[in-house]
Amino acid sequence: NAGVTQTPKFRILKIGQSMTLQCTQDMNHNYMYWYRQDPGMGLKLIYYSVGAGITDKGEVPNGYNVSRSTTEDFPLRLELAAPSQTSVYFCASSLDRFLGQAGNTIYFGEGSWLTVV
Amino acid sequence: AQSVTQPDIHITVSEGASLELRCNYSYGATPYLFWYVQSPGQGLQLLLKYFSGDTLVQGIKGFEAEFKRSQSSFNLRKPSVHWSDAAEYFCAVGAGNTGGFKTIFGAGTRLFVKA
Repeated sequence: NAGVTQTPKFRILKIGQSMTLQCTQDMNHNYMYWYRQDPGMGLKLIYYSVGAGITDKGEVPNGYNVSRSTTEDFPLRLELAAPSQTSVYFCASSLDRFLGQAGNTIYFGEGSWLTVV
Repeated sequence: AQSVTQPDIHITVSEGASLELRCNYSYGATPYLFWYVQSPGQGLQLLLKYFSGDTLVQGIKGFEAEFKRSQSSFNLRKPSVHWSDAAEYFCAVGAGNTGGFKTIFGAGTRLFVKA
């Protein structure tokens, strides 16, 4: 059982470049999330999705875009990369919004380290 | 405002010593509480969670946490720390019916273990 898989694990971008962080989960979860983690800060939610075709902004969406064409995949796109987007990015998923029921919780990928220079 | 505070940025304990990591929260609804551990270069792994019932919850790797509503706290404890426990620990709070997009994470406490 692979869980939540993110690629790439490491990437260096130049200012102004674009890239896509890939995320896939094999648990048939409806809810998927993208977080960023900055030093000394908790995880901040960028975007989330409650099902295929449905996405919504989180706390820090500026400079990012997402899509959810399938249940499994939730890619995060960075347009015009900026140094402020240097961070660690985590994709996550949960079965649905009812955390706590039937063992439902948030499962995280291993993270993607992105540096913008 | 809803928030999670982990007062200690980092803690150092000796191997075999006991550990307590503090977590305080401010949340308008009945909170669901979580502790996650992040080992170097890894994603977050759920240690334990509290939703209801017994306020002392047991988790994986020998960790436990106690929910104290009167103190708005959910401190993580372990009676005897192992070198492999060195990692970053995150406390999180959410509401039961809003999923991860309403889950708030603390800034984390980094645990160092000395021999």
